[in-house]
Amino acid sequence: KNEVEQSPQNLTAQEGEFITINCSYSVGISALHWLQQHPGGGIVSLFMLSSGKKKHGRLIATINIQEKHSSLHITASHPRDSAVYICAVRSASGSARQLTFGSGTQLTVLP
Amino acid sequence: DGGITQSPKYLFRKEGQNVTLSCEQNLNHDAMYWYRQDPGQGLRLIYYSQIVNDFQKGDIAEGYSVSREKKESFPLTVTSAQKNPTAFYLCASSILGQTEAFFGQGTRLTVV
Repeated sequence: KNEVEQSPQNLTAQEGEFITINCSYSVGISALHWLQQHPGGGIVSLFMLSSGKKKHGRLIATINIQEKHSSLHITASHPRDSAVYICAVRSASGSARQLTFGSGTQLTVLP
Repeated sequence: DGGITQSPKYLFRKEGQNVTLSCEQNLNHDAMYWYRQDPGQGLRLIYYSQIVNDFQKGDIAEGYSVSREKKESFPLTVTSAQKNPTAFYLCASSILGQTEAFFGQGTRLTVV
């Protein structure tokens, strides 16, 4: 079983829809990242969370430490949101090996 | 602007040849990392380095080698011993002890 599980693997939405991507993990963590990978391959960090909720523009990320679960929400989705969204966790053991990654959610927003 | 630069973006090599992927950062980060990405899988750690002239194997180091002669540079060599080298390779860096990581744009290696 992977340490980090994302769902769904693929998601197609119509422009304007509210989108939720889920991430579950099985280890104690010190932080969780949500990353965005565009078709060209480069990755940007959207959020880093250790508790609660963060909001940036139309993006909202939440985490429930007790349930070992995080969600990424996109409000009023737009075709430019089409990308792979990746959840990654850093173990609470503080290993310098950095992050463990989920396999990603491919989001396609249709106009 | 500060950031991580990977080159080239696309690379083609014949089977049996070694190939070196470049990763340079001007963020003054101590830690640098190499990841491999395959379709449908999460990024997997190949090697990482916390300090100049020192590096550690990650989960899938076999068939790869690295060097860290300068703080800014962490090149990855894919050797002929790597059985399945065709993949997307990402370099990242971070301040040692901090979780925030900055990623390069990646190099797509195709071995024919």
